[in-house]
Amino acid sequence: DIVMTQSPDSLAVSLGERATINCKSSQNILYSLNHNNYLAWYQQRPGQAPRLLIYWASTRESGVPDRFSGSGSGTDFTLTISSLQAEDVAVYYCQQYYSTPHTFGQGTKVEIK
Amino acid sequence: EVKLVQSGAEVKKPGESLKISCKGSGYNFNTYWVGWVRQMPGKGLEWMGIIYPGDFDTRYSRSFRGQVTISVEKSISTAYLQWNSLKASDTGMYFCARAPTSTSHPKHFDSWGQGTLVTVST
Repeated sequence: DIVMTQSPDSLAVSLGERATINCKSSQNILYSLNHNNYLAWYQQRPGQAPRLLIYWASTRESGVPDRFSGSGSGTDFTLTISSLQAEDVAVYYCQQYYSTPHTFGQGTKVEIK
Repeated sequence: EVKLVQSGAEVKKPGESLKISCKGSGYNFNTYWVGWVRQMPGKGLEWMGIIYPGDFDTRYSRSFRGQVTISVEKSISTAYLQWNSLKASDTGMYFCARAPTSTSHPKHFDSWGQGTLVTVST
């Protein structure tokens, strides 16, 4: 199974400041035939179901604010929140869908400083 | 509007059986995968398995194979997660989620159910 490791486990950021979350896969999840990275990011607010933010490592889901962006390739990926808002307090998960089981990272909790 | 609506919370005793459901609407149920994700209390997301209603192709995580059964009833656009003998360690929130398909391979989860809380206790 592919292991997904996120860092840090938690971070506290001031309102309006940048938050950066890293995700590393134990195997390459870039598919050479289509040049796509099989990596998604989800947001889970307290008491809610997860919500898709980013797929193919950098494609923003419809309706997701443009302060959220994804980058990276191969085994190393990043989710950036460019200007943290109060409603962004949540746990963020990366997930690989390159091969089943489609494993998740352990999650990163984002709070307001 | 795409919706996945899950059945309500359950309280069961160890050894009992259980089947929870996830009804899809607002899209062609047969052409998207439906997966199940566990979240134990205070913990992260665990991918359990996934099924493609079109041809019943089903894939399980090794951790859950033999412990649960994933099925669908296409006529009512509903997916199921079933246990034959619950344990206390099965306590948690269970989410269903829809995944687009790409050449018979499931992709990311683009729509989620609200979750079903399962509590197993004596």
